Amino acid sequence: GIQVEQSPPDLILQEGANSTLRCNFSDSVNNLQWFHQNPWGQLINLFYIPSGTKQNGRLSATTVATERYSLLYISSSQTTDSGVYFCAVGPSGGSYIPTFGRGTSLIVHP
Amino acid sequence: EAGVTQSPTHLIKTRGQQATLRCSPISGHTSVYWYQQALGLGLQFLLWYDEGEERNRGNFPPRFSGRQFPNYSSELNVNALELEDSALYLCASSLGGFGTNYNEQFFGPGTRLTVL
Repeated sequence: GIQVEQSPPDLILQEGANSTLRCNFSDSVNNLQWFHQNPWGQLINLFYIPSGTKQNGRLSATTVATERYSLLYISSSQTTDSGVYFCAVGPSGGSYIPTFGRGTSLIVHP
Repeated sequence: EAGVTQSPTHLIKTRGQQATLRCSPISGHTSVYWYQQALGLGLQFLLWYDEGEERNRGNFPPRFSGRQFPNYSSELNVNALELEDSALYLCASSLGGFGTNYNEQFFGPGTRLTVL
């Protein structure tokens, strides 16, 4: 099956700092999503981005499908950004079997 | 518009018992997915239902089963519970279904199952 690697596994920032999270995948994909899991376990949709670039406030994402990676940018980080960020991909063709990366754990200190 | 809902929020069972978890998708969504998130193991795909049919299942034993009802809500059953079944069980729904390329998923708040 498709392999998904996220980096870095852990990230500690001061409030106001910027960061880039990376998701590499081993095969072509039809679906790619970024999620934020809050301390209560809820997965919040950030972006549906199988290709291209999107922005939503302080967050933006870019997927370069031909090079098999996606980046999530967080600017001017806030303590509420803390949590785990997951990338999930679905392979091209056939039934959709989603694969999640192991996540990036982010802690933002005030 | 209401999001994905799951019940119960917490469930405590003992080894050997059965657990039933429920999920209601976003209105209009026909696909429901179940995931297990055990401590330290990330999200593992369990089951996918679409239009009442089981479309795919992950690498889990047959004691994990489920169904999807005509109103697209879904139930996950775990029989003969084992200690390692303790986990957060997440349900997601999607507008895209079997045979389509679009499968943006929206998650519910989860059911935390504890097996004693």
